[in-house]
Amino acid sequence: QKEVEQDPGPLSVPEGAIVSLNCTYSNSAFQYFMWYRQYSRKGPELLMYTYSSGNKEDGRFTAQVDKSSKYISLFIRDSQPSDSATYLCAMLQGAQKLVFGQGTRLTINP
Amino acid sequence: GAVVSQHPSWVICKSGTSVKIECRSLDFQATTMFWYRQFPKQSLMLMATSNEGSKATYEQGVEKDKFLINHASLTLSTLTVTSAHPEDSSFYICSARGGEALDTQYFGPGTRLTVL
Repeated sequence: QKEVEQDPGPLSVPEGAIVSLNCTYSNSAFQYFMWYRQYSRKGPELLMYTYSSGNKEDGRFTAQVDKSSKYISLFIRDSQPSDSATYLCAMLQGAQKLVFGQGTRLTINP
Repeated sequence: GAVVSQHPSWVICKSGTSVKIECRSLDFQATTMFWYRQFPKQSLMLMATSNEGSKATYEQGVEKDKFLINHASLTLSTLTVTSAHPEDSSFYICSARGGEALDTQYFGPGTRLTVL
């Protein structure tokens, strides 16, 4: 069993829709949770960074963490074609090791 | 701020040759740099962690004699793939940690290696 599970998709939604991306994890030691966006043939770009359970909002993006269920989510409101990318969840193990999910490939159709 | 560059962006080499990939933090000093490998449609897998001036720490299953890492300064780390083989073909991505957000890793754009 992988430490971090993420549905690879692909996920295709119409422009303006609300997108929900999710990851589950098995290691209770994970304390920091991140979402990265990766465009094709590019390095990941940090979108959101959370520590505690609950919601964190940044513009159209909301990150949600439920430590009791070991479940994290990223919501994208008013999705745009420019949001089309692969979204990776990542979790910090120890002081500096990031453990990534497989990534979900998202396409927003105009 | 917090820009990380990689060079080259892509490289094709013959089997048995060695390839060096550079990772630079352009506007901050990176206390720690990380090297990842990403196969098509798969996630990033950490290969090794390096701190400036000390030996790299390799993840289980990564051959340290094959993937040589040098972190000679606070802005430069290099990964050398020695005696490359077709199975080493992959997307290699570095990240750097440092600057104002010490807990955050900033990723480079990646280097696509194809071994013929």
